[in-house]
Amino acid sequence: LAKTTQPISMDSYEGQEVNITCSHNNIATNDYITWYQQFPSQGPRFIIQGYKTKVTNEVASLFIPADRKSSTLSLPRVSLSDTAVYYCLVGDIRRSSASKIIFGSGTRLSIRP
Amino acid sequence: DVKVTQSSRYLVKRTGEKVFLECVQDMDHENMFWYRQDPGLGLRLIYFSYDVKMKEKGDIPEGYSVSREKKERFSLILESASTNQTSMYLCASSRSGTPYEQYFGPGTRLTVT
Repeated sequence: LAKTTQPISMDSYEGQEVNITCSHNNIATNDYITWYQQFPSQGPRFIIQGYKTKVTNEVASLFIPADRKSSTLSLPRVSLSDTAVYYCLVGDIRRSSASKIIFGSGTRLSIRP
Repeated sequence: DVKVTQSSRYLVKRTGEKVFLECVQDMDHENMFWYRQDPGLGLRLIYFSYDVKMKEKGDIPEGYSVSREKKERFSLILESASTNQTSMYLCASSRSGTPYEQYFGPGTRLTVT
């Protein structure tokens, strides 16, 4: 499975747009990119998933360039409640790969007033 | 809303005890997962089940076993608990075709003394 690299931590301020980039140089043709958010003392929460170009939902946008070797999670106008750890996962969504899912250590995002 | 519940939020057991962690989901999901989360190591997959009585090993199955007798319930068993199994245990479920879109329970903080 594709290995991912993301920053260990990031800081930002309320009202700013935050972009977290994930590098996945050896992404395979059938791999999708998935992002999760985890608050302290809670289980992770699915945010968004995409294969190419741009995906947007009510929480975030996911930008994937044509070569798919990286992806960027964009959080618009963050608030203090967006302080969390964000995980980037890359893998084939077929069942045969489910036992190989890797979360990694994620990016710890801290939002200041 | 999908609901994944875990039998205990906090559990304290002694070395050598047999420990059962129970997980129940109410969305008729085919896939269920058990992870452990430790500081600096992220989430690591212990076992994955894609159907009743079907299971696959994840990254770190040693010292653990699982049971899935009913679709909605997935149990993690520590046959003889050891101190290095002190951790946060997280259960998740997903539909068959979307193994990366997982719904997590609140977690069980297990301490083995």
